[in-house]
Amino acid sequence: GNSVTQMEGPVTLSEEAFLTINCTYTATGYPSLFWYVQYPGEGLQLLLKATKADDKGSNKGFEATYRKETTSFHLEKGSVQVSDSAVYFCALSKGNNDMRFGAGTRLTVKP
Amino acid sequence: DTAVSQTPKYLVTQMGNDKSIKCEQNLGHDTMYWYKQDSKKFLKIMFSYNNKELIINETVPNRFSPKSPDKAHLNLHINSLELGDSAVYFCASSPRQGRDRSSYNEQFFGPGTRLTVL
Repeated sequence: GNSVTQMEGPVTLSEEAFLTINCTYTATGYPSLFWYVQYPGEGLQLLLKATKADDKGSNKGFEATYRKETTSFHLEKGSVQVSDSAVYFCALSKGNNDMRFGAGTRLTVKP
Repeated sequence: DTAVSQTPKYLVTQMGNDKSIKCEQNLGHDTMYWYKQDSKKFLKIMFSYNNKELIINETVPNRFSPKSPDKAHLNLHINSLELGDSAVYFCASSPRQGRDRSSYNEQFFGPGTRLTVL
């Protein structure tokens, strides 16, 4: 079945460090891929998305590229801030309203 | 201008009680969902409704019963609450899948309801 595996956390970084959170997926065909972010005490918000191979999603300095050859959608940011501290979820959808989420990766950024 | 709202935000109750959580979306979406998030932040889909019709029903005890009076509302009723039901419950909605891939199936989440069963 369709599934997403993402890097286990927690991840702790200093401000301005480079961030990578790995995500790989298993699916037939061509799913859409997403990164969601959950700030403390809140619901999930869409961070970025990509719908086809080689698409790059970007938002708020975060980027992820849809790599079909490696079935990956790794999240990156060049310089993290304390305000980026949150839980990040990788997800996929095959277009049938069935979204599959990864286990989440908690990021803590220290000043 | 809350897009997806849930009530209550916090719910503390005794084992064995029956409780309901309400969800409303004002986005005009056709599909609504309930998710359960455990203490380790793992997110598991419970139900999905499309235009008031159940389309996803994961392995969930039948003590959980969703009710969709119209496509803007999806309520969750839980009978005979157990300790293991303690979690944060999220409602979400998404637009109908379009014929092309541009609709993405992005889901919009509510703020969550933290249920504590004592």
